[in-house]
Amino acid sequence: DGGITQSPKYLFRKEGQNVTLSCEQNLNHDAMYWYRQDPGQGLRLIYYSQIVNDFQKGDIAEGYSVSREKKESFPLTVTSAQKNPTAFYLCASSLSRTDTQYFGPGTRLTVL
Amino acid sequence: AQSVTQLDSQVPVFEEAPVELRCNYSSSVSVYLFWYVQYPNQGLQLLLKYLSGSTLVKGINGFEAEFNKSQTSFHLRKPSVHISDTAEYFCAVKGPGATNKLIFGTGTLLAVQP
Repeated sequence: DGGITQSPKYLFRKEGQNVTLSCEQNLNHDAMYWYRQDPGQGLRLIYYSQIVNDFQKGDIAEGYSVSREKKESFPLTVTSAQKNPTAFYLCASSLSRTDTQYFGPGTRLTVL
Repeated sequence: AQSVTQLDSQVPVFEEAPVELRCNYSSSVSVYLFWYVQYPNQGLQLLLKYLSGSTLVKGINGFEAEFNKSQTSFHLRKPSVHISDTAEYFCAVKGPGATNKLIFGTGTLLAVQP
């Protein structure tokens, strides 16, 4: 089955802890993206990667970090520096940097 | 800077009625436009996209959208909705330059009532 998987679906963390969200794709896509979604708002870009070992900041990168060591994986770490981390996080990928983006099922992070 | 406006945060409609979800964008360059649908607690699914060519774009689930350059709009339509169409709908425009960044509207909740 081809697609994008995100795990876990729900995640709870205590304030001050770092947490890493997983995103894996088996579509052989070069580009991958992380978005954040808050209630009543559209999606906002956190980080994106157009190729392995390379990534760029999006509009709201502060308090987040990423790595892209493998083509199929693009994990997102939410650090304690992120002031309002509770949100729905969506990962996406595209064949190249100009192609249509396809989304994973999302991870809902709640920081207590 | 590019932006997307979805004026209606919620659109209630009865089953089997037609519906139009409005989307306007601002851009000074050629645009690529998208509609995505999101069911509760799920990711986004691509409904349709406009890249070039015919201004009337047909998508999945019986939806279609029309690109209107003079009005900078990309409204989504369906002639007859079903209960299962109840979801959040997002309009998006591809951002400028070499990135593939998508700029999203704030979404429209389509609430289909029996």
